Amino acid sequence: DSGVTQTPKHLITATGQRVTLRCSPRSGDLSVYWYQQSLDQGLQFLIQYYNGEERAKGNILERFSAQQFPDLHSELNLSSLELGDSALYFCASSFTGQSNQPQHFGDGTRLSIL
Amino acid sequence: AQKVTQAQTEISVVEKEDVTLDCVYETRDTTYYLFWYKQPPSGELVFLIRRNSFDEQNEISGRYSWNFQKSTSSFNFTITASQVVDSAVYFCALSDFNSGGGADGLTFGKGTHLIIQP
Repeated sequence: DSGVTQTPKHLITATGQRVTLRCSPRSGDLSVYWYQQSLDQGLQFLIQYYNGEERAKGNILERFSAQQFPDLHSELNLSSLELGDSALYFCASSFTGQSNQPQHFGDGTRLSIL
Repeated sequence: AQKVTQAQTEISVVEKEDVTLDCVYETRDTTYYLFWYKQPPSGELVFLIRRNSFDEQNEISGRYSWNFQKSTSSFNFTITASQVVDSAVYFCALSDFNSGGGADGLTFGKGTHLIIQP
């Protein structure tokens, strides 16, 4: 158990809809990362937050947004969903978000777009 | 730009055989960090090891060992006396120090699917 909690585990929705994925980092970790894992793109970094502030952006679409709240949990919002957004979405956390620190991953949220 | 290449898409061996998973990376930075993660069939990503660019010592942890060679930009992972429970997808990943203030997220390879047959 990594200590990172992601909910829900599975999400099934339709094209055009909006969903919110939630992540609670490990106790004591201040930084949260979001990744997308799909068959064609592999594991891709989306965005990072540190102590409530956005720190780095990766290959995140404009239809996607995220935030980190004062209690350090984070939410990833996906809107105007398309079939290609079907993927496993991981949240990870680390203590300070520096590149030398291992990131500990949650179990992921599997998103299926019908 | 960073890049991680895991050329072996799938490896299948019989239990108790030794197996090596290859990882080759590209980065322009002199300070960087390499990681291996395991993704078992249940789907979670499990951190295995971190190595920084200044430490070329090989590391051994039980049946697992890692060989880091800067000269060939490789960070290979060997499992000795493999077991069925080692069956998983293994990812090599890179994080460098200077990109985006040292916080650009991990660059992952495509992964190697390791199948250990009983």
